[in-house]
Amino acid sequence: QPVLTQPTSLSASPGASARLTCTLRSGVNVGTYSIFWYQQKPGSPPRLLLRYYSDSSKHQGSGVPSRFSGSKDASTNAGILVISGLQSEDEADYYCMIWHSTAVVFGGGTKLTVL
Amino acid sequence: EVQMLESGGGLAQPGGSLRLSCAASGFTFSNYAMSWVRQAPGKGLEWVSAISGGGDTTDYADSVKGRFTISRDNSKNTLYLQMNSLRAEDTAVYYCAKDQSAGSSGWYQSWGQGTLVTVSS
Repeated sequence: QPVLTQPTSLSASPGASARLTCTLRSGVNVGTYSIFWYQQKPGSPPRLLLRYYSDSSKHQGSGVPSRFSGSKDASTNAGILVISGLQSEDEADYYCMIWHSTAVVFGGGTKLTVL
Repeated sequence: EVQMLESGGGLAQPGGSLRLSCAASGFTFSNYAMSWVRQAPGKGLEWVSAISGGGDTTDYADSVKGRFTISRDNSKNTLYLQMNSLRAEDTAVYYCAKDQSAGSSGWYQSWGQGTLVTVSS
């Protein structure tokens, strides 16, 4: 079972909100990790969106609008990225990431379609 | 302006070697940890390796441990990845990424454009 599991795809309408999940493997407690979120568009390197540990310890990437926000759901052991006010330019692949046992681990990525 | 330019990619035979370079500018190179992240064609991101600002601490993904070596020359503002015993599954675009401090944190604010490595006979 992968350390981080993301839904393969998600669709949402312009102006709506999209909720992307990143579920940590059983035994890997989301409460002890900072969750990083990256956005990647075709042909471009990833872009750092934000890091979320808690509401009092979170950081937005440079130039990233506040409509991108992070949170955690302890009940499902998941990190969450919410994109509000969806725009066509938000259509991209989104990856979550953690540092786990001296290694960086990426989730498999979620392809977000805005239609 | 922070800039990173990867080079050294190309075609290699299975079992062969390549050395990637990442030339950095626009920041004090020795103050920041650096990483290599790869992406196989049509696939997701995979972290490969990281090195601290001073070069004294290195970490590797299990998939490359014992085959790849990360290093840096702070006098030349350059990061390297020596890749030996290459396999077909190493085929990917390799990105270098700048961390936010001398120690690795995962805060990759800046990335290069990537260099393509193809392993095939």
